[in-house]
Amino acid sequence: SYVLTQPPSVSVAPGKTARITCGGNNIRSKSVHWYQQKPGQAPVLVMYYDRDRPSGIPERFSGSNSGNTATLTISRVEAGDEADYYCQAWDSDSDHWVFGGGTKLIVL
Amino acid sequence: EVLLVESGGGLVQPGGSLRLSCAASGFTFSSYWMHWVRQAPGKGLVWVSRVNSDGSSTTYADSVEGRFTISRDNAKNTLYLQMNSLRAEDTAVYYCARVRDGTKSGAFDIWGQGTMVTVSS
Repeated sequence: SYVLTQPPSVSVAPGKTARITCGGNNIRSKSVHWYQQKPGQAPVLVMYYDRDRPSGIPERFSGSNSGNTATLTISRVEAGDEADYYCQAWDSDSDHWVFGGGTKLIVL
Repeated sequence: EVLLVESGGGLVQPGGSLRLSCAASGFTFSSYWMHWVRQAPGKGLVWVSRVNSDGSSTTYADSVEGRFTISRDNAKNTLYLQMNSLRAEDTAVYYCARVRDGTKSGAFDIWGQGTMVTVSS
């Protein structure tokens, strides 16, 4: 089955740019979505179809997808961005949905 | 307000059964595909199952195939997950989620608050 690979953690200083990657075989051929989850809360959609932002998500959040890597970029990181981030895609071969293992964003 | 509210979780012995419900409000439930996603304590999100808008098509993760059944009652605006032959590894918070558009590959834009299922003797 299709596998999405994320780094366990990414650390960034406030005001800097965080890049969270999601690796998968030819992932550029898939639509990738991203979710933010804070402790004790349900996930929140922050990016869909690689680069589209839902209403209410700051413009500081952006996405890209190329080759074997999709990336969620958070500019001008704030303390409130500290959370777990998950990428997700639909695998047409298995008709299953797959999540990456999650990346903990640590704001220093 | 668009809302999903899960219920039905609890403590169950290995081999037992449980039925989860997800009550939808604030949108036309019958127009949307729905999913169940679970999260074991301290672990990541894992997709469990999906059902299309009219309930005629379902898909399951390999780990629950043959044990879990997803269904919906559009007249009651409710999604269900019947869980049989439960195992310790099924212990998790179970979330229901809505697909934001009518496509198979669409993102999950609305999530419930989750209901905890604990499988233990």
